[in-house]
Amino acid sequence: EVQLVESGGGLVKPGGSLRLSCAASGFTFSYAWMSWVRQAPGKGLEWVGRIKSKTDGGTAEYTAPVKGRFSISRDDSKNTLDLQMTSLKTEDTAVYYCTTYSKTSYYFDHWGQGTLVTVSS
Amino acid sequence: DIQMTQSPSSVSASVGDRVTITCRASQGISSWLAWYQQKPGKAPKVLIYTASSLQSGVPSRFSGSGSATDFTLTINSLQPEDFATYYCQQANSFPLTFGGGTKVEIK
Repeated sequence: EVQLVESGGGLVKPGGSLRLSCAASGFTFSYAWMSWVRQAPGKGLEWVGRIKSKTDGGTAEYTAPVKGRFSISRDDSKNTLDLQMTSLKTEDTAVYYCTTYSKTSYYFDHWGQGTLVTVSS
Repeated sequence: DIQMTQSPSSVSASVGDRVTITCRASQGISSWLAWYQQKPGKAPKVLIYTASSLQSGVPSRFSGSGSATDFTLTINSLQPEDFATYYCQQANSFPLTFGGGTKVEIK
């Protein structure tokens, strides 16, 4: 069974940094393309970024509002996906979901339970 | 960026009804469209991918259709567990974008 468990959320001041992690199990993580999707309180879904498997190049793409501030990385030896967030803004407040991303059909097929990030002074 | 517009934003329906939700893309996306269901406090769950392919384990009362710019999610014979919010998502180009959501409520 695929399991994705996010951690690292919490309260951070504007301008601060936070690192989220996602522990993956139940599938061959090194082959998987992975993504982060966020949801502000009471709002809809927003894609944050996606990283390919290392065998497919390991490159990452980001949505414009986080480009240059957020960075996705992966540790295939530990089956973990990270989201490093810097220069945080109040509008980054959201539940952050770790997902697998189908590289053939381009959709988010498995989701974690999410971790809440609150950016507030 | 490709804008995804869902309608209606909410719909009231009864158990056993057929519900249709539409999603329009601001430019052609071929069949690169997925539909998700989200219940309060839970992560979304994929229902349909590539516009009309049913995700494994999803009941057959859910179906998707469409291509290019106009897509439809149909729920036949609405069940109590189907009351939720539904989102479409395009994967034709970056940034990946979602529709604003359609809340299916109990009439």
